[in-house]
Formats: sequence, structure tokens, C-alpha cells
Amino acid sequence: DMKVTQMPRYLIKRMGENVLLECGQDMSHETMYWYRQDPGLGLQLIYISYDVDSNSEGDIPKGYRVSRKKREHFSLILDSAKTNQTSVYFCASRPGQGAYEQYFGPGTRLTVL
Amino acid sequence: GMPVEQNPPALSLYEGAESGLRCNFSTTMKGVQWFQQNHRGRLITLFYLAQGTKENGRLKSTFNSKERYSTLHIKDAQLEDSGTYFCAVDTGNYKYVFGAGTRLKVIA
Repeated sequence: DMKVTQMPRYLIKRMGENVLLECGQDMSHETMYWYRQDPGLGLQLIYISYDVDSNSEGDIPKGYRVSRKKREHFSLILDSAKTNQTSVYFCASRPGQGAYEQYFGPGTRLTVL
Repeated sequence: GMPVEQNPPALSLYEGAESGLRCNFSTTMKGVQWFQQNHRGRLITLFYLAQGTKENGRLKSTFNSKERYSTLHIKDAQLEDSGTYFCAVDTGNYKYVFGAGTRLKVIA
């Protein structure tokens, strides 16, 4: 069963705290993504990972970093969270080269107070 | 980034009606993925197209890379079709650019 999982699903943090969002996939996909979605907008790319320890900034990387030590796991880290990082975060994965669809996780709703 | 425009921004349909949603993009793209985001916020993939047309039940999508657009046609609209429909264009370098979505409301 092809699946992308995200943990936690809901999180409330205070400004200045560290945040760790985790994503897993069971399809051995090489490429993984972190997006954020704000009200009334589409998804915006934060980071992309082409494989283990091969990560690249997306369109809005400021305030975020990522870690990918195993192909099946991709973490998003917020060091000292800010209130404007309140959003819904989606993880996705896809196979490597070629034209492929993305597979999305269920999302994590993060609130920074 | 490369802009992707979705039209219309919002749409109301009566049950049983049909309509088309459009996704325009400014440069040649490798493919397009259409999603429905439901009331729980989940992203449900409807289609991925690298060319031509695909059909699944009441939904049909076309992708015209040369003319730089894709369409999603919904027929016999049902209440459960309500939600926001996004297109994401595949740039061919592992990145996708999302439109802002079309909010669809199906009315009984």
C-alpha cells in the first residue's frame, strides 16, 4: 500500500521553540518535498530532497532546514519558530527521473503562538 | 517562479450540472497533476498527465503542452465534488508549480 505519512498531525508551539515535523514514505521514492499551504493559496515549495543527504532550497526556505538520513524519512526543522510560520505543512514524494505524479501526506497543522 | 493561473477562482454548480476548470501556464511544462482538496484538507490526486486526455468516471482532463494549458471537466456534479481543485505543473526539473486553486461548491 503506497503511503506517505506525517507526524504529528497537529502541533501547537510557542514563538521561539524548536519544531520537528516528520515525513515517511514506503515506496522507496528518491525525491521528497516539503510544502506549506496558507489560506487561499496553493502550495509553496520549502525544500526538495533528491535522495539521502542531497537537499536543495525551494522557493521559501528561509527559517527552515531539513534532514534526510534515510531514503524513507524526510524531516523539516524550524529552529526558533515564528508566528508567521503558522501554516499547514505537506510532505510529498515521487520517483526519480521522468514525468511522475507526487504522492502527498495528510498534512500537519502547525500553530505558533 | 513561473506563474500558473487557474480559472475561475470560484464556481457554484447545481447537482447534475457540468463545468470546466482551466489551468494556464507561461512556459512549456512536462506534465500536470490535478488535485481535489476536500473539507478535511486532504489532497486527493485526480490525474497526472504528460500528454493528451485522461478520463475517470465523471472527470476528464486534458493537457496541451504546446498551447500551455490544461483543463479538468466535471460532469453530473455531486455534493461530494465540493472542495478546492488545484493544478500543479511539472516543470521537468523535479519541481512543480501550483495554481491558487478553484473553489467549487455543489448545491443541492
